[in-house]
Amino acid sequence: KAGVTQTPRYLIKTRGQQVTLSCSPISGHRSVSWYQQTPGQGLQFLFEYFSETQRNKGNFPGRFSGRQFSNSRSEMNVSTLELGDSALYLCASSLARTTEQYFGPGTRLTVT
Amino acid sequence: DQQVKQNSPSLSVQEGRISILNCDYTNSMFDYFLWYKKYPAEGPTFLISISSIKDKNEDGRFTVFLNKSAKHLSLHIVPSQPGDSAVYFCAASLVVGADGLTFGKGTHLIIQP
Repeated sequence: KAGVTQTPRYLIKTRGQQVTLSCSPISGHRSVSWYQQTPGQGLQFLFEYFSETQRNKGNFPGRFSGRQFSNSRSEMNVSTLELGDSALYLCASSLARTTEQYFGPGTRLTVT
Repeated sequence: DQQVKQNSPSLSVQEGRISILNCDYTNSMFDYFLWYKKYPAEGPTFLISISSIKDKNEDGRFTVFLNKSAKHLSLHIVPSQPGDSAVYFCAASLVVGADGLTFGKGTHLIIQP
């Protein structure tokens, strides 16, 4: 079974721009969560989607948003990029909301 | 404040010996704990988990111990192998799957030949 895939793997953007990252969960998995990893803050939860609805949100500003489609694929969007948004963005999927999460390889975003 | 803490940034263990990675948490409402392993340029890989109703869970070379009164859990790897060299993250959840995972900062395990 294919794992979680994320596109693109690497991205360079300029301050003020916006970016959209994509995640395809493991086939059959309906829950998708997003995390941000930075050297200073470690892995931090952004939000979780299940059945196309945002179920939970971490402590991030409104510039960070996401959505989930009927096929469980998910996208996250960051608007008005800041230098501090440079990070590894990880997507994780799980069979249901009550099971272990499996992570994709991440998208490395660099904001200049 | 950091609700999940891994106080050892790195740990060096000889091949064949036992590796013990520790994790402390402050939120007594956490009821599900997981360990992940991460290689550079890859996403975390799920290793093993434990529910708060248990004090031990074993899977092959990996065993997780939970001490709820001390708010402490540990991951034992026996025997340690060179491929175990990676960063290990401890994570906790308030209710299984119903909340985002709260991660520790990780411990870099180095297995020496």
